[in-house]
Amino acid sequence: GAVVSQHPSWVICKSGTSVKIECRSLDFQATTMFWYRQFPKQSLMLMATSNEGSKATYEQGVEKDKFLINHASLTLSTLTVTSAHPEDSSFYICSAKRGQALSTFGSGTRLTVV
Amino acid sequence: GNSVTQMEGPVTLSEEAFLTINCTYTATGYPSLFWYVQYPGEGLQLLLKATKADDKGSNKGFEATYRKETTSFHLEKGSVQVSDSAVYFCALNKAWEGGSEKLVFGKGTKLTVNP
Repeated sequence: GAVVSQHPSWVICKSGTSVKIECRSLDFQATTMFWYRQFPKQSLMLMATSNEGSKATYEQGVEKDKFLINHASLTLSTLTVTSAHPEDSSFYICSAKRGQALSTFGSGTRLTVV
Repeated sequence: GNSVTQMEGPVTLSEEAFLTINCTYTATGYPSLFWYVQYPGEGLQLLLKATKADDKGSNKGFEATYRKETTSFHLEKGSVQVSDSAVYFCALNKAWEGGSEKLVFGKGTKLTVNP
């Protein structure tokens, strides 16, 4: 079946630095990838949708300059949290899909900014 | 707007007990409804889905029926196992808009099954 790998699974960084999270579709070509954020005891919130080769579409309230998304190939999307601050600490999850198939989710990345 | 409300956990049951996790939704139109499961250290996996009213989704002994009149999609299992311990998410997806997908999730319910 479809497999999505997300890396790293957890990361700690200093305030003011940038962190990159990778999302890879291992056995299929993903025409669309999604990035979600999950706060403790809260729902997963869609941050942005990215289609290969085009700019990501961000949800209302998500800062595009803060959360840079690149979907350079059909198997890789990256989320870069720029100038991270403690309030950016969260659980980030990606998902990937091909055509109209349902998404396959990655295992998530726990980001802690200190 | 669209939203999903599911019962707060955590839920702790003994093996072979009956499980119900309530889920209600608010949406315009006719969304598709889903239950996802997240086992410890893993990503979300689709457990079951229903795309129209009165549809019943089922998988691995779990069932949920799309009830439009009560806007509900409660998850049930007749006899849980220790291996069912996980976090369960109810979600809806608006009808396809040019093939787009926009999942809206509930907060998740953590289930622990003790032997």
